[in-house]
Amino acid sequence: DGGITQSPKYLFRKEGQNVTLSCEQNLNHDAMYWYRQDPGQGLRLIYYSQIVNDFQKGDIAEGYSVSREKKESFPLTVTSAQKNPTAFYLCASSIDGGGTYNEQFFGPGTRLTVL
Amino acid sequence: GENVEQHPSTLSVQEGDSAVIKCTYSDSASNYFPWYKQELGKGPQLIIDIRSNVGEKKDQRIAVTLNKTAKHFSLHITETHPEDSAVYFCAASSWGKLQFGAGTQVVVTP
Repeated sequence: DGGITQSPKYLFRKEGQNVTLSCEQNLNHDAMYWYRQDPGQGLRLIYYSQIVNDFQKGDIAEGYSVSREKKESFPLTVTSAQKNPTAFYLCASSIDGGGTYNEQFFGPGTRLTVL
Repeated sequence: GENVEQHPSTLSVQEGDSAVIKCTYSDSASNYFPWYKQELGKGPQLIIDIRSNVGEKKDQRIAVTLNKTAKHFSLHITETHPEDSAVYFCAASSWGKLQFGAGTQVVVTP
């Protein structure tokens, strides 16, 4: 099956610890994205990558870091500098990041709770 | 940057009635407008989209309209079913980056 996988589905961490969320896609898409979703709010862009070994900050990048060493993978690290990390995190991918019509496909999400 | 506003935030309809969700955007350069449906605990799924060179698009019970002059677009769901209950998000895109509305919780009661 082609698609986007995120793991784990639920993640609990103690305050002050860094945590890495996994995102893998086998759609052969060039572009990948990380969004944060809070209750009653839309999706907010954290980071995006249009090509391997390159990524750009989104609207709320502070306290997060990413890497893009492989086309299929785009892990997100939530650092201790993120003041309110408890949220639902969504990964997405698209065929390319600069196209005019850019359908994004989403993974199932990871719910992070910081205790 | 782009700003997308979505209304209403919640919508309750009787099964068989229609549901309408409206969005406005600020950036006249936006040219792609997708709509996503998100069920509880899952990732959003694209249900329909419209490009700026089209005024209306329909797919079975779902339709989307776009008014570029007024910078607003709407989602219409006809003959609603209980399975249509979910959160719906609109988004606007220019050059690949999507800006999302805050979402509409739709509840379809039998």
